[in-house]
Amino acid sequence: DVQLVESGGGLVQPGGSLRLSCAASGFTFNIYEMNWVRQAPGKGLEWISYISSHGDTIYYADSVKGRFSIARDNARNSLYLQMDSLRAEDTAVYYCAREIILGDYDAFDLWGQGTMVSVSS
Amino acid sequence: IVMTQSPATLSVSPGERATLSCRASQNININLAWYQQTPGQAPRLLIYGASTRATGIPARFSGSGSGTEFTLTISSLQSEDFAVYYCQQYHNWPPITFGQGTRLEIK
Repeated sequence: DVQLVESGGGLVQPGGSLRLSCAASGFTFNIYEMNWVRQAPGKGLEWISYISSHGDTIYYADSVKGRFSIARDNARNSLYLQMDSLRAEDTAVYYCAREIILGDYDAFDLWGQGTMVSVSS
Repeated sequence: IVMTQSPATLSVSPGERATLSCRASQNININLAWYQQTPGQAPRLLIYGASTRATGIPARFSGSGSGTEFTLTISSLQSEDFAVYYCQQYHNWPPITFGQGTRLEIK
């Protein structure tokens, strides 16, 4: 099956760290650009990070810049998000999403089921 | 680029037509996608390039618009269509930005 499976979420204290993983299967991972998107409880979607297929181009949302770090291991078909200096406002479901280029247009065509991160003392 | 969706909540009866709007704060050509999210589930891609249906999306879903004004129309609502819908721009990024969502509920 073509799928993305996130893991690594949990409860962490403010200022703490977590590392999320996203395991890809059923497709050629190393040709796809990947993203992390989060959703706070009861709220909308927020894009937070992008990584190119070979990992040489990376972008972050201002809300996480300097605290979060995206990476990938194409040999392991895996995407990662290292989250440091966590704050209460980082509490959310975190999704990894595959980016597809369809002609001249991009979109997120495959999403994982999400992993919950709760930041609280 | 700020994406603004309206209305926040839309109440429509099954079998009727629903029209959802998305406005961009600046010109994004047709670099717009629509997603559907049901409770407890990940978002699902419906439309890309403002008007092209993604693979497997029923023909009752259609998208239109360009520049700053976009519309998602669901021609005859089925029970499974009641969900939250998000628009997303990728014309001028980073950041990629989403609208705040429209909740489509049963009237």
